[in-house]
Amino acid sequence: DAKTTQPTSMDCAEGRAANLPCNHSTISGNEYVYWYRQIHSQGPQYIIHGLKNNETNEMASLIITEDRKSSTLILPHATLRDTAVYYCIVRDASGTYKYIFGTGTRLKVLA
Amino acid sequence: DAGVIQSPRHEVTEMGQEVTLRCKPISGHNSLFWYRQTMMRGLELLIYFNNNVPIDDSGMPEDRFSAKMPNASFSTLKIQPSEPRDSAVYFCASSGRLESPLHFGNGTRLTVT
Repeated sequence: DAKTTQPTSMDCAEGRAANLPCNHSTISGNEYVYWYRQIHSQGPQYIIHGLKNNETNEMASLIITEDRKSSTLILPHATLRDTAVYYCIVRDASGTYKYIFGTGTRLKVLA
Repeated sequence: DAGVIQSPRHEVTEMGQEVTLRCKPISGHNSLFWYRQTMMRGLELLIYFNNNVPIDDSGMPEDRFSAKMPNASFSTLKIQPSEPRDSAVYFCASSGRLESPLHFGNGTRLTVT
């Protein structure tokens, strides 16, 4: 079972920041939070991951709360090409390294 | 870097036929994952390998499904016999290590009639 909860869908105006929340209240201390997105019927694409500290790369920023029970993916200036399903994943802590995908958030960027 | 390569891109077959899906991971990657995606069930992990050895196949739905990784550059997922409910998009993904992010291929869309 997926260990994360995400809103089913969100809209964002083009050029504005898109903030995608994720709850992972049962996360363990050694589990990373990963974000992927899937555009149309392509394979999922890795975006970013983090453990405790906030992370930033060329695609997005990841903000993790101090208690690690939730996180937010930020796309600073959303474009139409960012329309996709975004998945937040907490990797299995048992050492099996399973990536269990939930239902994700369908982000629609509006012109 | 050519990325993860899957073949064929599309496969249409009749119920009862054998289907073989193929995957070439990114060179140097040690871990390989097979996923299945349907509208009803989303992305499901079927099986994954580390250093060519199957680590967890608990997601393989039935004995009709089998997967092999004879070497570091090739893996197959076989369905024998196929059934209409096997219709889905099958994705292969690889990573440098088990804990590294996954890189997905573009998938094989399987239709069983």
